[in-house]
Amino acid sequence: AQKITQTQPGMFVQEKEAVTLDCTYDTSDQSYGLFWYKQPSSGEMIFLIYQGSYDEQNATEGRYSLNFQKARKSANLVISASQLGDSAMYFCAMRGRSNTGNQFYFGTGTSLTVIP
Amino acid sequence: DVKVTQSSRYLVKRTGEKVFLECVQDMDHENMFWYRQDPGLGLRLIYFSYDVKMKEKGDIPEGYSVSREKKERFSLILESASTNQTSMYLCASSLSTYNEQFFGPGTRLTVL
Repeated sequence: AQKITQTQPGMFVQEKEAVTLDCTYDTSDQSYGLFWYKQPSSGEMIFLIYQGSYDEQNATEGRYSLNFQKARKSANLVISASQLGDSAMYFCAMRGRSNTGNQFYFGTGTSLTVIP
Repeated sequence: DVKVTQSSRYLVKRTGEKVFLECVQDMDHENMFWYRQDPGLGLRLIYFSYDVKMKEKGDIPEGYSVSREKKERFSLILESASTNQTSMYLCASSLSTYNEQFFGPGTRLTVL
């Protein structure tokens, strides 16, 4: 079975501090992709960052970076210099394979609250 | 900007009704997806399509079917709606399976 695990239902961080949101995944595939999305209270899903399984460098996009530890099967999202607008649900997702083809799995999400 | 639109933001239907949820994308994306989002369960893939008239089952296809007659449009069909299909339904599209998905605003479906 392939799945994504996000063990932190809720997190709090002080404004301007860094925060790490955890994500572990389970796959036996060699080729897969890992994504992080943000969902503010307005409901729209916003893509943040992508890491391919063969990428040797950790992905970075502005204040977002993905701490990819392949052997541990973890893909944690690091948000630096948190802002009030970062308060949202964050979802980790994986593109994998099943016996019927591509599959896409999302975690249950982490609710981040940035405290002024 | 990629735009993914869904036909309704809110929908109320009765048990046993046939329900159509429509999704349109305007960026010529190959792939389109239907998810449902439930509290504590995250997003779960129902079906996706990688080309016109092509589809693959996701994690939870039971009770649903899909149709993709044109590249830009992907429909989710509930043949006989049941109360356990009350949920938020999200449509998404992507250029390829290696690219990020762009999501629509969602349809909150209530089945009474």
